[in-house]
Amino acid sequence: QKEVEQDPGPLSVPEGAIVSLNCTYSNSAFQYFMWYRQYSRKGPELLMYTYSSGNKEDGRFTAQVDKSSKYISLFIRDSQPSDSATYLCAMILSSGGSYIPTFGRGTSLIVHP
Amino acid sequence: NAGVTQTPKFQVLKTGQSMTLQCAQDMNHEYMSWYRQDPGMGLRLIHYSVGAGITDQGEVPNGYNVSRSTTEDFPLRLLSAAPSQTSVYFCASSYSDLGGYEQYFGPGTRLTVT
Repeated sequence: QKEVEQDPGPLSVPEGAIVSLNCTYSNSAFQYFMWYRQYSRKGPELLMYTYSSGNKEDGRFTAQVDKSSKYISLFIRDSQPSDSATYLCAMILSSGGSYIPTFGRGTSLIVHP
Repeated sequence: NAGVTQTPKFQVLKTGQSMTLQCAQDMNHEYMSWYRQDPGMGLRLIHYSVGAGITDQGEVPNGYNVSRSTTEDFPLRLLSAAPSQTSVYFCASSYSDLGGYEQYFGPGTRLTVT
């Protein structure tokens, strides 16, 4: 079992829908949680990060962390076709002073007009 | 700023050949990393560096070498290419001691080994 589990999808939704993307993890020592967006044939780009349980909002995006359940989510409101991409969750486990991220496999999101 | 640049964009190698994937960043970042991305496997860390002269292994280091002689450059060497190394390779850099969360990725190198 991987340390970080993420359903690869694809997840197909109509434009305007609320999207929920999720990851679960097994190591309770993970401290920082990130979401990256990756368009086809491009490198990932950081979308959001958080280090505490609860919600963090940025425009149409909300990142949610539940450390007690070892579960993180990314919500996208009013989804647009331009949101079609692969979304990768990532977590950082401090190791000897070097912070090494562990990535999920990514969820492919398709928003159709 | 150019950000993180990678060359080449595409490469085809025969089994047993060696090559170097180049990565450079102009943001004065201390942390640099190499990942490979395979379908269904996500991003896997190959090697990383926390500063010039310091490197360490990640999750899948076998068959790859790295060195970090300058802050700007972090080349990845394939010693003897194998078909299992067919993948997309991403280089990333970050400026924080929390090296993971604000990583900037390059555009990737698509490598095919026949």
